[in-house]
Amino acid sequence: AQKITQTQPGMFVQEKEAVTLDCTYDTSDPSYGLFWYKQPSSGEMIFLIYQGSYDQQNATEGRYSLNFQKARKSANLVISASQLGDSAMYFCAMREGEGSTLGRLYFGRGTQLTVWP
Amino acid sequence: NAGVMQNPRHLVRRRGQEARLRCSPMKGHSHVYWYRQLPEEGLKFMVYLQKENIIDESGMPKERFSAEFPKEGPSILRIQQVVRGDSAAYFCASSPTGGSSNQPQHFGDGTRLSIL
Repeated sequence: AQKITQTQPGMFVQEKEAVTLDCTYDTSDPSYGLFWYKQPSSGEMIFLIYQGSYDQQNATEGRYSLNFQKARKSANLVISASQLGDSAMYFCAMREGEGSTLGRLYFGRGTQLTVWP
Repeated sequence: NAGVMQNPRHLVRRRGQEARLRCSPMKGHSHVYWYRQLPEEGLKFMVYLQKENIIDESGMPKERFSAEFPKEGPSILRIQQVVRGDSAAYFCASSPTGGSSNQPQHFGDGTRLSIL
């Protein structure tokens, strides 16, 4: 089974609007971390936001927030007030907290976000 | 720039040659991870190393691929006898502690490997 599922290959949003990028995950570990990365067309991977499995509150970092619904195993990224520079590929990733595979990140296939003026 | 440094940024090799990709982790980081990204796909884990130790190589192909992280110097991902299917972007990431699930991994800019 896929560890991370991103069901939206592409999303479009108008500048200054908010957008939600979906991510569901699959793990049996009680301790895990969820991450979002941005990959612009230049190719680098930029860390955006982190949510821990034991965190009581949703993570926020500036215009980025994570809608964490543990029972549904979803960790959707919300970008508020979209900017043209937000156009990029966005990856959801998970790191499990126990076991021999400690350390590795599991990535989804990504969502290509396009912000239009 | 104190970030993760990868070189070269682009590497072109002919089939059958060797490719060496280098990664210097962020200052203070002793854990290095290598990932491969095929076109239109997410990153796939290859190997996790600490200084002088391979911790997890479960994502590494059994043949032609090897990785090291010596006591001194950068981590090296080595691909012998490259084939067209090795064409991909190879990313290195580092973190200060390997085992904590809340530590983000910081990525380098990647090496784009093209096989002619």
